[in-house]
Amino acid sequence: GENVEQHPSTLSVQEGDSAVIKCTYSDSASNYFPWYKQELGKGPQLIIDIRSNVGEKKDQRIAVTLNKTAKHFSLHITETQPEDSAVYFCAADSNYQLIWGAGTKLIIKP
Amino acid sequence: DTAVSQTPKYLVTQMGNDKSIKCEQNLGHDTMYWYKQDSKKFLKIMFSYNNKELIINETVPNRFSPKSPDKAHLNLHINSLELGDSAVYFCASSHSRGKSGANVLTFGAGSRLTVL
Repeated sequence: GENVEQHPSTLSVQEGDSAVIKCTYSDSASNYFPWYKQELGKGPQLIIDIRSNVGEKKDQRIAVTLNKTAKHFSLHITETQPEDSAVYFCAADSNYQLIWGAGTKLIIKP
Repeated sequence: DTAVSQTPKYLVTQMGNDKSIKCEQNLGHDTMYWYKQDSKKFLKIMFSYNNKELIINETVPNRFSPKSPDKAHLNLHINSLELGDSAVYFCASSHSRGKSGANVLTFGAGSRLTVL
């Protein structure tokens, strides 16, 4: 079955710098790759997603890139701000459900 | 407010007890889910219902039983609670599951269960 690996588990960056979180997946049939942000005490919330017919998608300071050949996708956050501090999850669709990565705790240092 | 609402937000109980967590969504979605998040933040799907029909039933103990009286509600009942059941349980909903699972999930705020 599908396996999604996410790295790093913890990422600490200086405010204003960029952050990159990477995920790899195993099911070549996966076509949908969302990223969710979970703030403390809240449920995960979709921040951006990408489908396999595109290689990159941007939304203001957030971008996602997808390499279907290599089976990996990445989340890029530029000009990080304190409110970006959260746990980020990647996921990939497989067999009628989402398979989730283990999460990355992003810490923004002032 | 349009949302996924879970009650209770916190639940502290003794081992062996039976408890329920309720979930309601007013988004008009036809698929609802229960996820378990452990202390390491790992998200694990437990159940999924589409229009009151069970479509995903991952390997969870029989002590966990979901009940969907209508497509806006999905409750989780847990019998004979054990220490290992302590976790945060999230309800979520989405539009039709489609053919690829490519659905946007809206999560509730979570219910933190502590078993003593």
